[in-house]
Amino acid sequence: KQEVTQIPAALSVPEGENLVLNCSFTDSAIYNLQWFRQDPGKGLTSLLLIQSSQREQTSGRLNASLDKSSGRSTLYIAASQPGDSATYLCAVRRGSSNTGKLIFGQGTTLQVKP
Amino acid sequence: DAGVIQSPRHEVTEMGQEVTLRCKPISGHDYLFWYRQTMMRGLELLIYFNNNVPIDDSGMPEDRFSAKMPNASFSTLKIQPSEPRDSAVYFCASSRSQETQYFGPGTRLLVL
Repeated sequence: KQEVTQIPAALSVPEGENLVLNCSFTDSAIYNLQWFRQDPGKGLTSLLLIQSSQREQTSGRLNASLDKSSGRSTLYIAASQPGDSATYLCAVRRGSSNTGKLIFGQGTTLQVKP
Repeated sequence: DAGVIQSPRHEVTEMGQEVTLRCKPISGHDYLFWYRQTMMRGLELLIYFNNNVPIDDSGMPEDRFSAKMPNASFSTLKIQPSEPRDSAVYFCASSRSQETQYFGPGTRLLVL
């Protein structure tokens, strides 16, 4: 059974700091991995999607890496801003095709202090 | 595009009542997903549809839960009868060919 774990559960940093959020999964047989952002009282917004054959994806100040063999992904946020404060969730798609379910981690709640 | 639309945004009901949650996916998307989010269990997939056909409902917790998608632009999730442990935020999401999923704002359900 695929399990997704995110550590830490919560993180508070001063503005401008670079930070790393961690995601681990127990079954390396994944199709892809996604990072989402969730603001309080809102739905999820997709940030980055990494296919199983890729090592990383970048979007602006965000960089996500994937090490499938070790069952790990990281989300790197450069020069953090108060507007980055949100909960970040990673999700893996099981299996060898795009028909597998997304399995979500519990999320890391980030607070960036001005 | 207006994105995924869910209604109602908030629902408060009493135990035993029927609850119907509604979702309008993004036009042109062929996949629709219903999720439930709680503090204890996080985000869980309940059921998903492809071209209006239910593909996997293994996440539906009990027979009290049912979901339908009568056409490409509308889906419902029904709970009958509702129980306090059903209190959660229910999200609908849609995607094109199972790639990036776009989430609605959610329905906050409180069953008293």
